[in-house]
Amino acid sequence: DVKVTQSSRYLVKRTGEKVFLECVQDMDHENMFWYRQDPGLGLRLIYFSYDVKMKEKGDIPEGYSVSREKKERFSLILESASTNQTSMYLCASSPITSGRAYEQYFGPGTRLTVT
Amino acid sequence: AQKITQTQPGMFVQEKEAVTLDCTYDTSDQSYGLFWYKQPSSGEMIFLIYQGSYDEQNATEGRYSLNFQKARKSANLVISASQLGDSAMYFCAWRTGSARQLTFGSGTQLTVLP
Repeated sequence: DVKVTQSSRYLVKRTGEKVFLECVQDMDHENMFWYRQDPGLGLRLIYFSYDVKMKEKGDIPEGYSVSREKKERFSLILESASTNQTSMYLCASSPITSGRAYEQYFGPGTRLTVT
Repeated sequence: AQKITQTQPGMFVQEKEAVTLDCTYDTSDQSYGLFWYKQPSSGEMIFLIYQGSYDEQNATEGRYSLNFQKARKSANLVISASQLGDSAMYFCAWRTGSARQLTFGSGTQLTVLP
C-alpha cells in the first residue's frame, strides 16, 4: 500500500528557531513535493524535487529550503521560523510523469505553530 | 500565470441528493490534466478523479463524475447520492502535460445535511 509519512502531526516552535520537517515515501517515487495549506488559499507549492539532490522552487519558496539526500526522503527546512510560517505543511510524492495521469500521494500533514 | 478557480467557498447538500462543485482553469496549453482531491477533517488528501485534456469522455469513478467542458475551461465535480461521509474540503488541481507539479484551487467546503 502506498505510504507517505511525515515526522510530526503537530509541532510548536519559537520565532527564530531552525525547523526541520521530514517526509518519507516508500513507493520509490522520483518526485516529491512540499506544500503549505492556509484557509482560503488552498495548497501552495513551496519546493519540489524530481531526483536525489535536485530541487526546484515552487510558488512560495521564500523563507524555506529543502534537502533530498536519499530518494525516499525529502526535508523542508525553515532556517529561522517566523509567525507567518504558522500553517499546515503537506508532503506529497508521485512517479515520474509521462503525459499520463499521475496522482500525487499525500502525507497526513504537519500543523506547525510558530510563537 | 496559470490559474485555477473554485468560486464556492462553502456548499450544503441534503443527504442522498447530487451536488456539483465548480472548477474553472485558465490555460493556453493543449495538453493538461485536471484532478480532484478530498480532504476530510482528519487532514489527509484523498485522490478522487482525473481528467486529461485529450480524453474524449468525462471521467467517472463510482459516485464521482467530472463534467468536463473544454471550451468553457471548466471541470466540475459531480457527486451523486451524497452521503454524510462526503462532508469535507474538496480541491480541484491542474497540471500542464509536461509538468510534475500541481496547481490547486482554494477549495470548497462541502457539508452534507442529514
